[in-house]
Amino acid sequence: DVKVTQSSRYLVKRTGEKVFLECVQDMDHENMFWYRQDPGLGLRLIYFSYDVKMKEKGDIPEGYSVSREKKERFSLILESASTNQTSMYLCASITGLYSYNEQFFGPGTRLTVL
Amino acid sequence: AQSVTQPDIHITVSEGASLELRCNYSYGATPYLFWYVQSPGQGLQLLLKYFSGDTLVQGIKGFEAEFKRSQSSFNLRKPSVHWSDAAEYFCAVGARSSNTGKLIFGQGTTLQVKP
Repeated sequence: DVKVTQSSRYLVKRTGEKVFLECVQDMDHENMFWYRQDPGLGLRLIYFSYDVKMKEKGDIPEGYSVSREKKERFSLILESASTNQTSMYLCASITGLYSYNEQFFGPGTRLTVL
Repeated sequence: AQSVTQPDIHITVSEGASLELRCNYSYGATPYLFWYVQSPGQGLQLLLKYFSGDTLVQGIKGFEAEFKRSQSSFNLRKPSVHWSDAAEYFCAVGARSSNTGKLIFGQGTTLQVKP
């Protein structure tokens, strides 16, 4: 079974802190994604990566950056956390380069910024 | 602009009753279509997907969905709902021309099941 794990289920940070969210997948998937999930807005794509050290902006990249140094690991970075970044963050991975393939999701990290 | 609309934010059905969750999309061409489910405290799981062929697609947990090109819809159905089906359901579309696997998700529909 594909497994996507995220470093924390719950995280509480203060405004201005630098925050790292980690995601690891164990199935050698090429593409990895970071989404933000908010009530009534569904999932919105922040960034995705299609190879090591390769990344592209999604729909809402402002205030975020990412890092992919190894194929299995994709990190989301909040350079200076703000209260409007309080949300659920979901990581996903997909094999191959076709959008008909299934995305496999991690359990999510609920981030609260005070 | 490409978009996915789930008109019902919240639906309540009685256990054993039938269910239909609506999904409409706006896209330049027929996209790939997906339904995902998110149970409380968990990540999303794929229920079913459509990419070609028969417009009635069968999925896991007794769910099915029908693609209607003329209506740009991909509604999810289940003939008899179980209490364990209470969850949030997301419709999503992906571009056939894409080589990234990117999806656009709808707003989600929360299903509550009454005993």
